[in-house]
Amino acid sequence: ETGVTQTPRHLVMGMTNKKSLKCEQHLGHNAMYWYKQSAKKPLELMFVYNFKEQTENNSVPSRFSPECPNSSHLFLHLHTLQPEDSALYLCASSQGTGGTDGYTFGSGTRLTVV
Amino acid sequence: QQQVKQSPQSLIVQKGGISIINCAYENTAFDYFPWYQQFPGKGPALLIAIRPDVSEKKEGRFTISFNKSAKQFSLHIMDSQPGDSATYFCAADSGGYNKLIFGAGTRLAVHP
Repeated sequence: ETGVTQTPRHLVMGMTNKKSLKCEQHLGHNAMYWYKQSAKKPLELMFVYNFKEQTENNSVPSRFSPECPNSSHLFLHLHTLQPEDSALYLCASSQGTGGTDGYTFGSGTRLTVV
Repeated sequence: QQQVKQSPQSLIVQKGGISIINCAYENTAFDYFPWYQQFPGKGPALLIAIRPDVSEKKEGRFTISFNKSAKQFSLHIMDSQPGDSATYFCAADSGGYNKLIFGAGTRLAVHP
């Protein structure tokens, strides 16, 4: 167990559905991240939260809506997605927002948009 | 300028051989270079990292070589084992940028 738990592990949704991804960390970290992992492409940073405040939105379409109610929980709300949004969505946490703190990743949610 | 270019995309090595993965960057503000290892069905995990004030860092069978003038760094896996089969990502971070920029990944397969 990495200390970062993501649910669900797999999700299939239609383009008109609304669903949410959940991430929970038990490491006492202050920063949390959403990354998108597509085949043969670099990990794409989507959002950064530091002490529950969003500090980065990497030009992500509004059909992705993050929520961070506290430092331990992070959600990604999805609506009216496109097939090209199918990917592995990874949550990570770190003590601070610098990469030198080392990121701890969850196992990801494999999303398929049909 | 914020990209990290990684090669090769895939690599096949025989057991006991040396696996070498290369990365290059442009932004001279990058000052921390980690490597992450990802097994199927898992998220990436920090493997080893280096700062540009040293040219090499070794941890067990894993070594990072760093060439600051060429803006390149590489991961060497000595005596590669089938259990090393995974996807490896290089990354870079600058203190001012405060986030990791990842390469595209290298899928390593070590054959017995």
